[in-house]
Amino acid sequence: SQTIHQWPATLVQPVGSPLSLECTVEGTSNPNLYWYRQAAGRGLQLLFYSVGIGQISSEVPQNLSASRPQDRQFILSSKKLLLSDSGFYLCAWRPRTGAYGYTFGSGTRLTVV
Amino acid sequence: KQEVTQIPAALSVPEGENLVLNCSFTDSAIYNLQWFRQDPGKGLTSLLLIQSSQREQTSGRLNASLDKSSGRSTLYIAASQPGDSATYLCAVRDSSYKLIFGSGTRLLVRP
Repeated sequence: SQTIHQWPATLVQPVGSPLSLECTVEGTSNPNLYWYRQAAGRGLQLLFYSVGIGQISSEVPQNLSASRPQDRQFILSSKKLLLSDSGFYLCAWRPRTGAYGYTFGSGTRLTVV
Repeated sequence: KQEVTQIPAALSVPEGENLVLNCSFTDSAIYNLQWFRQDPGKGLTSLLLIQSSQREQTSGRLNASLDKSSGRSTLYIAASQPGDSATYLCAVRDSSYKLIFGSGTRLLVRP
């Protein structure tokens, strides 16, 4: 069966420090991968999605970037964190083809101090 | 631009009640609609997925309906339990790769 892993679960980082959040999917090939952010009291916002290795689409201009170095690995990064980067980050995947639903990871709570 | 709205924003009911959560979307050209549950501080758990050609899906005490032409979906929870307390999110997948979420309904089931 397919599983999705996200780590770390929680992270407290100072302003200006770098960030790297990792997401991996097991049990499938060629998934579509997504990064969402959920800010306090707000809905889920799509940040990036990827349909293949090295293919990244950005939904909103921001201080973050994403990379997909391997088929089932999706990384969210920042060179210098801002206070406004705080939030709950969720990785998700769905099969490349077919009308399947999305499966989400357990999330990373990021607090920038 | 697709927009998804969920009503009510919050709901408090006594245990045992049947309840309905509402979701509406502005563009009827969707592939499917998915209902999720989110517990505080946790990720999203998929509850039901309804394809655009379907009218409803059922899983246990949950039933979700879809009226694509009117841009509406409902999630029906029968015989609610305190363990059902969570935030329920509705999301539609449009013609692109994107899943667009409503802001959720926060449900509290009182013992």
